[in-house]
Amino acid sequence: DAGITQSPRHKVTETGTPVTLRCHQTENHRYMYWYRQDPGHGLRLIHYSYGVKDTDKGEVSDGYSVSRSKTEDFLLTLESATSSQTSVYFCAATSSQMGEGRYEQYFGPGTRLTVT
Amino acid sequence: AQTVTQSQPEMSVQEAETVTLSCTYDTSESNYYLFWYKQPPSRQMILVIRQEAYKQQNATENRFSVNFQKAAKSFSLKISDSQLGDTAMYFCAFMILTGGGNKLTFGTGTQLKVEL
Repeated sequence: DAGITQSPRHKVTETGTPVTLRCHQTENHRYMYWYRQDPGHGLRLIHYSYGVKDTDKGEVSDGYSVSRSKTEDFLLTLESATSSQTSVYFCAATSSQMGEGRYEQYFGPGTRLTVT
Repeated sequence: AQTVTQSQPEMSVQEAETVTLSCTYDTSESNYYLFWYKQPPSRQMILVIRQEAYKQQNATENRFSVNFQKAAKSFSLKISDSQLGDTAMYFCAFMILTGGGNKLTFGTGTQLKVEL
C-alpha cells in the first residue's frame, strides 16, 4: 500500500449531510487521486492533485470537492451527500513524472460509503 | 477521450491451467502506459504488470505476461499455472503521459475465479 491510509474505512450517512473522506500518505508523493468504484464501471477519477493547493477535476467530479493543504493529506468532500454517491472510494498516489519513474499509482485500502 | 474495454465480465479457470483476459483501448495518443491491476476480495488494488507503449517487447512478471498489439490497440493478460490466490477482479488501465497528472482510465473489470 506504499504508506497510504484512508479514513474512515466505512461510513453510513444520511442524504443531504456533508461528508469528508481523508487520504494520508507518508511517502512524499507529489500526485494524489480520488477514484470511486461502482459495479459495471470500474474505477473512475473524481479529482486529482499535482501539488499542494493544486487540484483539478476528473471524469465524475460533480457533487465533490477536494483540498490539499499539505503534501501528505488529500481530502474529498461531498457537500450534500446523495444516494448516487454510495460507492467505494479509493485514494491513490504517485511520484512519477514524465521521463522518470515507472508511473505506478499506489492505492489506499478504500472507504465504503453508504448514503441512506 | 480515452476508453478501455474489457469484454469479459467473468471468467473461470482450473488450477494450474492458463487463462487470458482481454483488453482493448482507444486513443489518438502515441505515448502512454498500460497496466493490469488485481483486486482480490480484500479490495486492495495491486499492480500486476505494466507496459510502455514505445516498447515492442511484451512485459512479463513471473506467471503473468501480456500480449501488446499496438496497432490493434489490444493489451491482453495471460496468467500461467493459475493458482487459487489469483482469484480476483482484474482491471486493465491506461495512462497518457501528459505533464498534467498522469491520470489512469480503467476498464470495467473481469472477475476471475480459479477453481480446484
